[in-house]
Amino acid sequence: DVKVTQSSRYLVKRTGEKVFLECVQDMDHENMFWYRQDPGLGLRLIYFSYDVKMKEKGDIPEGYSVSREKKERFSLILESASTNQTSMYLCASSLTGLGSGANVLTFGAGSRLTVL
Amino acid sequence: AQSVSQHNHHVILSEAASLELGCNYSYGGTVNLFWYVQYPGQHLQLLLKYFSGDPLVKGIKGFEAEFIKSKFSFNLRKPSVQWSDTAEYFCAVIQPYGNNRLAFGKGNQVVVIP
Repeated sequence: DVKVTQSSRYLVKRTGEKVFLECVQDMDHENMFWYRQDPGLGLRLIYFSYDVKMKEKGDIPEGYSVSREKKERFSLILESASTNQTSMYLCASSLTGLGSGANVLTFGAGSRLTVL
Repeated sequence: AQSVSQHNHHVILSEAASLELGCNYSYGGTVNLFWYVQYPGQHLQLLLKYFSGDPLVKGIKGFEAEFIKSKFSFNLRKPSVQWSDTAEYFCAVIQPYGNNRLAFGKGNQVVVIP
């Protein structure tokens, strides 16, 4: 089974702090994604990456950046955390290309971030 | 960009009742369709998917969904729910020949009362 591991399950940070959320997948997936999940809003895509050092903005990239230096690792960075970034952050990965095996996301357990 | 609509965000029902969750999407071309489920305290996981072929697809735990292209819908059904079906359910759509970006609905929080 593909595993997507998010290193921090719970974080509490102060406004203005820099926050790193780390995600590692162990099945050589090309694609990696960061979503945030908020009650009543579903999952919203922040950033995604199709390959090492490649990134694309999702629907809500403002206030976030990402880094993918190695294929298995995709980091989400909050340069200066704000209270409206309090949320559950989900990392996911998938195979590349088309076909029935592709486009199926495997999710991590999530990182719940509280910004005070 | 495609959008996904899920209505009735909160659903409460008794065990053995039937469940149907609606999902409508906005894109008229080729789509791949998914239902994901998040049980309390667990990861989001795939419930079922539709890529092509038979529009009635069966997933895990007795769930099924029907793709109706003319209605841009992919409704999820289960004829008899159990307490363990208490979860949040998300519909998702991707254009495989388009931007290849998965769009999620806002989710349905389903509570099954024993």
